Parts: sequence; structure tokens; C-alpha cells
Amino acid sequence: GAGVSQSPSNKVTEKGKDVELRCDPISGHTALYWYRQSLGQGLEFLIYFQGNSAPDKSGLPSDRFSAERTGGSVSTLTIQRTQQEDSAVYLCASSLWTSKGNEQFFGPGTRLTVL
Amino acid sequence: AQSVTQLGSHVSVSEGALVLLRCNYSSSVPPYLFWYVQYPNQGLQLLLKYTSAATLVKGINGFEAEFKKSETSFHLTKPSAHMSDAAEYFCAVSDGSGYALNFGKGTSLLVTP
Repeated sequence: GAGVSQSPSNKVTEKGKDVELRCDPISGHTALYWYRQSLGQGLEFLIYFQGNSAPDKSGLPSDRFSAERTGGSVSTLTIQRTQQEDSAVYLCASSLWTSKGNEQFFGPGTRLTVL
Repeated sequence: AQSVTQLGSHVSVSEGALVLLRCNYSSSVPPYLFWYVQYPNQGLQLLLKYTSAATLVKGINGFEAEFKKSETSFHLTKPSAHMSDAAEYFCAVSDGSGYALNFGKGTSLLVTP
């Protein structure tokens, strides 16, 4: 079956511009996660959606970052007024809700470059 | 809070040699532990996971890991390295509530002929 897909695969933008990154999770997966992968910082958790519950935004680095998940499926991560330090690979993952440790399935990522 | 430490940011082995990638965890509750692999320009793929069942966990591509509570370790091994094993390997921990994973810094595995 189809895995997690992300678009665009690459995004180059100018400092100060807004960007939107899209994630299509695996059909039927109720949990969706965004992570950021950058040199020196490794993989950082950003935000987590589970079903219709309020998202956990504790990993968002600033109020310039926001995310939404429409209809319990597709998610969009928005970065406003981008800065050069936002350059990174943004990874999306989805999982089934399980009580035994959820396997997260990752998409290929969006490489964001802020000039 | 749960965390993992991966010892060695770079590991180099010869083709056919034993692969050993080290991961130690810190957790106040019984952890769920994962090893993921990332090939260049790709997302992360699950190799194996520990969820409090058998302490020796077998994964894909011939990898396995042993959970040792007394040593707070979850090291990844493979008896014989292949060239195709060259990739970045990440150890991760969660508290099993369906929450986010806390990843280690990663270990880059180089396999030489």
C-alpha cells in the first residue's frame, strides 16, 4: 500500500517568506507527527496529532511555526517569516494508535532551504 | 523524560565483519525502544523495536538488538556487514503512550570492501 507522502520534496525560499509543507499519512492512521532533522540538532519532535484530540505543540520552536490536520488526514506545516536557521529536512510520520509502542512510518521528507 | 545516547557518531567496519552500534537509554518508566535506518535522501525505516516482550529482538536485514535493563542498553548488531548496510542509524525511545519518539544523534555506518 501507499506510504506516507510529503510535498514538495525540495523547497527553496527567501528569508522572510512563508512556506507550507504538506503530509499525506497512511490511510487509517490516526496519529501524525512532524519532526525536523538538521545538522547539529539531529531529529527533533515538532508537533503531534492524535485523532480529534488537541495537538501537542510542545516541540514547536517558535510561534512562527504552526500546523493543522484537516479531516483527520492531511496535515500542513506552516512556517511564517522564514529564517535561515529554519533550513532543515522536515519529516512527517504516521502511526496506528496502539498501546504496545507505536511504529511510526516516515515519509521521505521535505528539504527546506532558506536563502 | 526519556532519552537515548548513541555512542560513536561514525562507525567503520569491513564487509563481512560484525556490526555493533551502541545505544543507552534513560527512562523513568519501562521504555519502548526502536532502531531506525535512514539511507541517503530517504525517510526513516524501522529496523526493529522492543516493547517489553522478548529481550532479544530480531529485525529486518539480519539485524537484531538485545534489551539489557541492568545496563540500560539496546545495542544493535549484525553478524556480517554488507555494503548495502551503509547508512545512518538512529536509536529512539518512547514511553509507549503513542507519543513522540526521542531520537539519539545517530550513528553513520561505513562499510569498506
